[in-house]
Amino acid sequence: GESVGLHLPTLSVQEGDNSIINCAYSNSASDYFIWYKQESGKGPQFIIDIRSNMDKRQGQRVTVLLNKTVKHLSLQIAATQPGDSAVYFCAETGHTGTASKLTFGTGTRLQVTL
Amino acid sequence: GAGVSQSPRYKVAKRGQDVALRCDPISGHVSLFWYQQALGQGPEFLTYFQNEAQLDKSGLPSDRFFAERPEGSVSTLKIQRTQQEDSAVYLCASSPPYKDYEQYFGPGTRLTVT
Repeated sequence: GESVGLHLPTLSVQEGDNSIINCAYSNSASDYFIWYKQESGKGPQFIIDIRSNMDKRQGQRVTVLLNKTVKHLSLQIAATQPGDSAVYFCAETGHTGTASKLTFGTGTRLQVTL
Repeated sequence: GAGVSQSPRYKVAKRGQDVALRCDPISGHVSLFWYQQALGQGPEFLTYFQNEAQLDKSGLPSDRFFAERPEGSVSTLKIQRTQQEDSAVYLCASSPPYKDYEQYFGPGTRLTVT
């Protein structure tokens, strides 16, 4: 299938280690921030979201941290597995009337080595 | 359950031809979104429907792009007189009621204009 993100920043992590993927966002008025995973030839897959009034949210093996002071979002993946290899995008919503529109960041490729 | 489906998965069009891309959202999802993804980049918003109403079409790049969702379910994105710069993956997403930020994507249609 076709490649997603030919020239994206790449993070290489050994299987079993924790991964941290970072994202800087631009709109301080966004209501929600979301992380998506995209494998080659597939559409983005919803991972986890965080509302703007929170600073941390945990899911299954994933944690999202939001630092509004510096407009920074991170995704932590615990015990990274080969199946986690993909391109990861952060996305932000608008505010009130534009809440439904998602604006995506540039993406980070995660490579899991054995 | 079934996810968002899109057809065709691949479309090759000669410059100047019209194309129609179809999206079947998840059952019960009232909101539907179209995005365009160029190679190596994140998806970019095109347009948004709530049921049959097109509430935001600010991302459509030109008047050659037209989207419809006449019965509030299946949606079609039509591109008239295709140009080479229209080559991209076209993604459709739908979201549950009251959760427009939680968007679930289909596999996309890769359009190549020759």
